[in-house]
Amino acid sequence: NAGVTQTPKFQVLKTGQSMTLQCAQDMNHEYMSWYRQDPGMGLRLIHYSVGAGITDQGEVPNGYNVSRSTTEDFPLRLLSAAPSQTSVYFCASKTLAGAYTDTQYFGPGTRLTVL
Amino acid sequence: AQSVTQLDSQVPVFEEAPVELRCNYSSSVSVYLFWYVQYPNQGLQLLLKYLSGSTLVESINGFEAEFNKSQTSFHLRKPSVHISDTAEYFCAVQKAAGNKLTFGGGTRVLVKP
Repeated sequence: NAGVTQTPKFQVLKTGQSMTLQCAQDMNHEYMSWYRQDPGMGLRLIHYSVGAGITDQGEVPNGYNVSRSTTEDFPLRLLSAAPSQTSVYFCASKTLAGAYTDTQYFGPGTRLTVL
Repeated sequence: AQSVTQLDSQVPVFEEAPVELRCNYSSSVSVYLFWYVQYPNQGLQLLLKYLSGSTLVESINGFEAEFNKSQTSFHLRKPSVHISDTAEYFCAVQKAAGNKLTFGGGTRVLVKP
């Protein structure tokens, strides 16, 4: 069981470039989400999904797109990178079923720098 | 909407001393509460959680947190810290019927020898 995996671990982009951050989980979790972590601000929700074909915006969605074609994968796309998107990005997943399984599992993160 | 305030951004503490990390939340509905830990250059790991039942919850490595509904708090404590407890700690809240986590700003704990 690999849990939640993210690639790449590090990425440097130039302003205006696009890229996709990959996230995959092998726990058959329905719910997946993307957060960004910035100093002093904790983690802020970018986008989330409750199942294949269903996505919605979180707190800070501007400049990011997502899609969910399978249960396992939830890629995050930066359409035109900006320096304000320099951050550490975390993917997380959890099951939707039942109160006592309400733990979100986090990936190791992708550190993105936009020059 | 929910919000979480972690009252201390940094807490320096000597090894074997006690530590308390303060967390207050705001919500108009029932919530679940979580503490996550992030060791240097790593992802987040669940430390402990309150879903229902006993208001005092414990982790396997000696941390405990108490849910206080009247004070809307979920403070984290450890009676004696180790160097290996050096990390950033995040308090988070989730609606009891929901899925989205809302995080506080984090508290960096630096344990000094």
